[in-house]
Amino acid sequence: GDQVKQSPSALSLQEGTNSALRCNFSIATTTVQWFLQNPRGSLMNLFYLVPGTKENGRLKSTFNSKESYSTLHIRDAQLEDSGTYFCADDTNAYKVIFGKGTHLHVLP
Amino acid sequence: GGIITQTPKFLIGQEGQKLTLKCQQNFNHDTMYWYRQDSGKGLRLIYYSITENDLQKGDLSEGYDASREKKSSFSLTVTSAQKNEMAVFLCASSRLGGDAEQFFGPGTRLTVL
Repeated sequence: GDQVKQSPSALSLQEGTNSALRCNFSIATTTVQWFLQNPRGSLMNLFYLVPGTKENGRLKSTFNSKESYSTLHIRDAQLEDSGTYFCADDTNAYKVIFGKGTHLHVLP
Repeated sequence: GGIITQTPKFLIGQEGQKLTLKCQQNFNHDTMYWYRQDSGKGLRLIYYSITENDLQKGDLSEGYDASREKKSSFSLTVTSAQKNEMAVFLCASSRLGGDAEQFFGPGTRLTVL
């Protein structure tokens, strides 16, 4: 099975609403990265996490290593938040393992 | 800060052709990576180079060669392009350390005719 499972696989949100994306790990994980791939294909770094929580503007991410999951919270969704969100297990020396992504569409 | 540039942005080749993709970074990072992304899917590691004179195979190395010409540049060669290799190839770099944060280039989109 997949070592990094993301859910949901796709999501539509009304502008101004909140949501949470989830990433589950099947093996022990110590470091997580979250990325946003915009419609042009560019991968933007969102968060780089050891266990705990980080916040940046309308985005917040938590990583619970004991229960092997990470979440990305989006507050007050905007049209420019649309794209594909990837989480990645950054634990295994140099071999980052990516999830399959959550395709987010923010509706006006 | 820094940037990663990949050339070309679009690459069209014939089946069986040898094709080379290039990547440059000015972060002064030690480690560089090549990933392949198939349509609608996550990224898979092809090759990585921990330091300037190093080369390591990833999970998807068969059919590819890589070359770390200098600290700032890392090339990927598709040894014999196949139609099922139409994908986006993404280069990344990071500081030294197996769990370091990786930063990505804009990608090269490969189409094989």
